[in-house]
Amino acid sequence: KAGVTQTPRYLIKTRGQQVTLSCSPISGHRSVSWYQQTPGQGLQFLFEYFSETQRNKGNFPGRFSGRQFSNSRSEMNVSTLELGDSALYLCASSFPGDTGELFFGEGSRLTVL
Amino acid sequence: AQSVTQLGSHVSVSEGALVLLRCNYSSSVPPYLFWYVQYPNQGLQLLLKYTTGATLVKGINGFEAEFKKSETSFHLTKPSAHMSDAAEYFCAVKGDYGQNFVFGPGTRLSVLP
Repeated sequence: KAGVTQTPRYLIKTRGQQVTLSCSPISGHRSVSWYQQTPGQGLQFLFEYFSETQRNKGNFPGRFSGRQFSNSRSEMNVSTLELGDSALYLCASSFPGDTGELFFGEGSRLTVL
Repeated sequence: AQSVTQLGSHVSVSEGALVLLRCNYSSSVPPYLFWYVQYPNQGLQLLLKYTTGATLVKGINGFEAEFKKSETSFHLTKPSAHMSDAAEYFCAVKGDYGQNFVFGPGTRLSVLP
């Protein structure tokens, strides 16, 4: 069974630009969560989507947005990039349920210059 | 609100020595508890999880953790460290259905020859 796939793996942008990251969950998983990982802040929850609906949202500005498609694939977008947005963005999928353990992709490493 | 603390941002052990990584949580009952491992430039991989039942949980790569409700702890141990165990380890807690995961700040494990 294929794992969680994130594209692109690495990207470089400049301040003010926008970026879109993609995540394909494990087949059959309907929940997709996004996390931002930085050395100073650790893993911070961005949002979770389930059946195309945002179910939970972390404490991030409106520049961070996401969506989920009918095939459970998800995208996140960051507009008006700032230097502090440089991070590893991790996507995780899960099968709905009480425990709902997360299965992570390898991440998209974003560098903002 | 749920929270997770991990004592020690960096732990060093000698190869063959006991590994002990500490995790304490605050959460509503029942919590679901997890340990994840992250190798450089990779996503997070599930090591083990506690949901219900036996409080001593065995995971992959010889790791185990014990859920102690009275101490609100879920420490991770391995009897004998191997060089390949060098990585970052994250403890996480999840509440009931629909609640998102909360991760600890992580502990970087170094294994010395």
